[in-house]
Amino acid sequence: GAGVSQSPSNKVTEKGKDVELRCDPISGHTALYWYRQSLGQGLEFLIYFQGNSAPDKSGLPSDRFSAERTGGSVSTLTIQRTQQEDSAVYLCASSLNGAPSYEQYFGPGTRLTVT
Amino acid sequence: AQTVTQSQPEMSVQEAETVTLSCTYDTSESDYYLFWYKQPPSRQMILVIRQEAYKQQNATENRFSVNFQKAAKSFSLKISDSQLGDAAMYFCAYSPGTASKLTFGTGTRLQVTL
Repeated sequence: GAGVSQSPSNKVTEKGKDVELRCDPISGHTALYWYRQSLGQGLEFLIYFQGNSAPDKSGLPSDRFSAERTGGSVSTLTIQRTQQEDSAVYLCASSLNGAPSYEQYFGPGTRLTVT
Repeated sequence: AQTVTQSQPEMSVQEAETVTLSCTYDTSESDYYLFWYKQPPSRQMILVIRQEAYKQQNATENRFSVNFQKAAKSFSLKISDSQLGDAAMYFCAYSPGTASKLTFGTGTRLQVTL
């Protein structure tokens, strides 16, 4: 079956612009995660959605970052007023449910470059 | 806060040989999960193996096995009969038993040579 898909695969934007990154999880997966992979910070958790529960936003680095998940499926990560330090690969993952015993399946990521 | 440490930035192994990648972690939790993920150049993270902390038996998946030392907070990955396709970044990761968000180590780049 189809895996996790992310779009765009690459995005170049100018400093100060807003960007939206999209994640389509595996059908039927109720849990969705966003991670960021950067040279300076490594791989870090950003936000987690589980069903209709309030998301765990504890990893978002600043209030310029936000995410939503519509209809329990597609998720969009929005970065406002991008900065050069936002340049990174943004990875999305989904799992059947939010229990840690369930495997997280990752998408191919979106490489964001802020110039 | 939980931390995961991978002290080997790069490792190299000859094809068909065995290599061990190291990982240590720090946590005050008693219930948690440990993972090894592989990230090839395609960027897509792939789960290699998983270990539940309450299980004393080391997990094994075909050529991949772990040495889980709970008291020492050590979780190493052994790759036997290495293949060219094993070349990738390998990340050790931790998840508490009550939440699914992963904490990753800095990764080890594995090269496989002929």
